Order: sequence, then structure tokens, then C-alpha cells
Amino acid sequence: AQSVTQLDSHVSVSEGTPVLLRCNYSSSYSPSLFWYVQHPNKGLQLLLKYTSAATLVKGINGFEAEFKKSETSFHLTKPSAHMSDAAEYFCVVSANAGKSTFGDGTTLTVKP
Amino acid sequence: DTEVTQTPKHLVMGMTNKKSLKCEQHMGHRAMYWYKQKAKKPPELMFVYSYEKLSINESVPSRFSPECPNSSLLNLHLHALQPEDSALYLCASSQADTGSDTQYFGPGTRLTVL
Repeated sequence: AQSVTQLDSHVSVSEGTPVLLRCNYSSSYSPSLFWYVQHPNKGLQLLLKYTSAATLVKGINGFEAEFKKSETSFHLTKPSAHMSDAAEYFCVVSANAGKSTFGDGTTLTVKP
Repeated sequence: DTEVTQTPKHLVMGMTNKKSLKCEQHMGHRAMYWYKQKAKKPPELMFVYSYEKLSINESVPSRFSPECPNSSLLNLHLHALQPEDSALYLCASSQADTGSDTQYFGPGTRLTVL
């Protein structure tokens, strides 16, 4: 069984300040973990993924995430938010063939 | 080319209509997926095709009928839908369906059932 919890449904930051989107997971097996971003009325785009290699994963657009097994967390961070980062973010866990479990999503708002 | 295309972008249909959604990828991926996404919710898995065979059906009502004519194409046939079926329908593909493979998503078809 697998599950994922995104701890914040909404996060609001000012442009140029750090971003932290929190994700906790549970899985019976060694999971793969993903962060996807979805802009309004668009499909999902992969930001980064963890698949049992380096625990600090760097993604596109300056995002990174750290896999912490002891805390069962995979939080997404970015040092400096940009207006274009405003979107919906999904944390995804996958340990079963074909079946990915999505978190409920975090809406990121970036204020000018 | 890492693109998944979906047609049409928008579809409005009555409850007695028959329509189809189309998805295409040319990345050589052998797994393809249909998801349904309601507003402000995460995508919900509907079907998974692996090597052109249906491998997962998440107890989807029979008014949704998937088809995979070849490794690049995925269709979703719609018949006698209900208004609650209105949603964004997303197609995705991945190299395989091992779980560690990245899924590439299309832009979706916005479906409205009247």
C-alpha cells in the first residue's frame, strides 16, 4: 500500500523569497517519488524525481527536493520564487507497477 | 520529442452522444494512461495500457471504453455520459509501467456533458 500527504493545501510567498512545499509519503516498498507542476488548464509537467539514487534531487526551474527516509518526507524547495511559479504542485509516490498515488495538491501563490 | 498530444482540446456533448478522445505519442513509450481530473483535485487513474494491452482498469463505468490501436495511439470512447463525468481528461505515457518511469502528460481534453 502507498499513500502521500501534502501538508499544505495553499502556500503564499512573495516574489524573491524561498518556497517550501511539504510532502510526506508511506510505502511498503522502496518508492519512486515525483513532483509535478500544473499551470491552469494545462497538463502536468515533471519538476523532478527520486528513484533511489542521490537523496538530493535537482529539477527544472531551480527546484530541488530531498528524500529523507527516516522522516518519510520529500519536500520541494526553491531559493527564490518567481511569478511564473504560481501553479498547482502535486507530490506523487509510485511503488506499484502502473499505479501512481497523487497527493491532493498544493496551490502556490506568488505575490509581487 | 517529449510531447503527448490530445484532441480535441474541448468537447461538449449531450448524454445520448457518442464521442471519442484521442491521444498520441511518438516517444516509443510502451505504457499509456487515462486520467480524469475534476477541478481543484488531483488526477484519478482510469486505465493503464502496457504493450498495447489493458493492464489496469480502476473500476471505471462501462460508458468509458478505452482502446489502444497501436503503440502510439490511445483512444477513449464515450457513450451515454452523465453530467458528473464533466472533467479534464488527461492522457500520459511512460517508457514502461514499472512505477519508476516518468509519466509525460498531454494538455488534456476539457469535457462538458450537458
